[in-house]
Amino acid sequence: EAGVAQSPRYKIIEKRQSVAFWCNPISGHATLYWYQQILGQGPKLLIQFQNNGVVDDSQLPKDRFSAERLKGVDSTLKIQPAKLEDSAVYLCASSLRRGNEQFFGPGTRLTVL
Amino acid sequence: KNEVEQSPQNLTAQEGEFITINCSYSVGISALHWLQQHPGGGIVSLFMLSSGKKKHGRLIATINIQEKHSSLHITASHPRDSAVYICAVSGSRLTFGEGTQLTVNP
Repeated sequence: EAGVAQSPRYKIIEKRQSVAFWCNPISGHATLYWYQQILGQGPKLLIQFQNNGVVDDSQLPKDRFSAERLKGVDSTLKIQPAKLEDSAVYLCASSLRRGNEQFFGPGTRLTVL
Repeated sequence: KNEVEQSPQNLTAQEGEFITINCSYSVGISALHWLQQHPGGGIVSLFMLSSGKKKHGRLIATINIQEKHSSLHITASHPRDSAVYICAVSGSRLTFGEGTQLTVNP
């Protein structure tokens, strides 16, 4: 069974630029999560989707971050414009349904210069 | 105070040693997860438990619901066990500890 796929694996941008990350969850998984992990810290949930609907985006900085999962499968996370403090690993995870074990992708390491 | 606290933050061991990583939490949970994260890599789920004890190879995870405490044990540690080990609890969302950096030297 294929795991959670993410791209790109690495991205370097300058502050005020825009960036987008892509996630393809495990087939059949209804729930998709985006996490931000700053170096030395545990992951922090940014947004949770159930199919194509948002369940929890309370910790998403909505002035610059946006995410969508239009067809309830793939998802994109966008930052516009990026700040230095956005440098982190962005992890995507999926689960069969809410509350089930989550499976994580390899992450995208973002460096904002 | 974080809802999930891990100790120690950093741990260095010699190959073959028995290792224990602790996790305490302060919120109600439906399950507790132990995760492993290698440098530059994604996160792998090791255990998901809501009571008692689970064992997988050289890894053992225990949880005491009354005391809100869990431990991850590694027996006969090996350099390939070197990684960050993260405790996370399931409530309304998954809440993570800050991780324990384990280094096992040959």
